[in-house]
Amino acid sequence: AQTVTQSQPEMSVQEAETVTLSCTYDTSESDYYLFWYKQPPSRQMILVIRQEAYKQQNATENRFSVNFQKAAKSFSLKISDSQLGDAAMYFCAYRSAYGGNQFYFGTGTSLTVIP
Amino acid sequence: DAGVIQSPRHEVTEMGQEVTLRCKPISGHDYLFWYRQTMMRGLELLIYFNNNVPIDDSGMPEDRFSAKMPNASFSTLKIQPSEPRDSAVYFCASSLGGRGVNQPQHFGDGTRLSIL
Repeated sequence: AQTVTQSQPEMSVQEAETVTLSCTYDTSESDYYLFWYKQPPSRQMILVIRQEAYKQQNATENRFSVNFQKAAKSFSLKISDSQLGDAAMYFCAYRSAYGGNQFYFGTGTSLTVIP
Repeated sequence: DAGVIQSPRHEVTEMGQEVTLRCKPISGHDYLFWYRQTMMRGLELLIYFNNNVPIDDSGMPEDRFSAKMPNASFSTLKIQPSEPRDSAVYFCASSLGGRGVNQPQHFGDGTRLSIL
């Protein structure tokens, strides 16, 4: 089974600054999808951004962008101009492109935004 | 478009009682997942269905847990008898699956279960 590792249990960032959350994964597959989910205190799981492994270009969604390094099996999330509403638990997830549709989630990184 | 709907949002019951959690997936989604989230163990996949058929239930902790999906628009997760260690937030998620389909999982708001 694939494994997803988030090595930073907690991170903090000053409001308006930039923060990067790390994620690595282990797979022998060549085609897959990667996702970042946000879970605020309201406990909803909200999709932040997704990346297809066959695409070299890093995905971007407004203030959120990823640094996808396929050879290194790394998928970090960068949050620019951090806002108080960005405070949440962030989960990295992996899904094979070969069907099955099972997601493998990391253990999460708790992000605190300091006013 | 309605998202994944879970009920109840909160459940408090006494040890030994039967608990039933309910989920309505997004219309047209062919995969449904049940997760359990705790501080100690994080987000755990319990079971998932494809076209109403259970595909992998290896995450179900023990025989006290059971899940059904009688049709494409409804699923239940049942715990009988419940124990205090079952206290957690239970999420249901649905998605479109298949090879080459880059679709995320859509989560419900979760059920916070407290077993006294």
